[in-house]
Amino acid sequence: QKEVEQNSGPLSVPEGAIASLNCTYSDRGSQSFFWYRQYSGKSPELIMSIYSNGDKEDGRFTAQLNKASQYVSLLIRDSQPSDSATYLCAVNVAGSSNTGKLIFGQGTTLQVKP
Amino acid sequence: GAVVSQHPSRVICKSGTSVKIECRSLDFQATTMFWYRQFPKQSLMLMATSNEGSKATYEQGVEKDKFLINHASLTLSTLTVTSAHPEDSSFYICSAFVQASRGKAFFGQGTRLTVV
Repeated sequence: QKEVEQNSGPLSVPEGAIASLNCTYSDRGSQSFFWYRQYSGKSPELIMSIYSNGDKEDGRFTAQLNKASQYVSLLIRDSQPSDSATYLCAVNVAGSSNTGKLIFGQGTTLQVKP
Repeated sequence: GAVVSQHPSRVICKSGTSVKIECRSLDFQATTMFWYRQFPKQSLMLMATSNEGSKATYEQGVEKDKFLINHASLTLSTLTVTSAHPEDSSFYICSAFVQASRGKAFFGQGTRLTVV
């Protein structure tokens, strides 16, 4: 069964610190990887996508992908209290890059303390 | 990013009644939409894939006769929860796939369904 695993947390970091969120996936055929942010009671919001091994930076966010290790991570620099949310790792079902079918991890709850 | 609108945002219904939830892609055409259900403190569970002009594909364990999906146009998919029961109370979220977006999916605002 295809799976995406995340530590549910909560992960607590002080304001201004770097938050590191990790995700592993089981399907070696997956090609597209996403991080979504979900505030309580709201729907997920796409914050990062990554498709190739290495790092991808966008503002305070950096996504890292290692396909050999089947590992995706998200770094949030200069964490702010407004970053407090649940972060969902999502991986496309192999062979479905043209349909958008995703498998989600259980999410990691991040708490940024002032 | 692409805009997906879901309506209603909240609904309360009585047991045994049916509820329809709409999901619209506002600025793009979506041949494929997805319906998820999320229970408190749990992740999103894919219920079904909605395909424009054809029957929906349901995930294992999801009753297709209870969760009716219609995708009659390139911008609208609907989910009808039939004969709702309290255990159907959940957060239902749709997403739409943007062609040529390398798998990106954008979510509607979600619908909080409470069955009393």
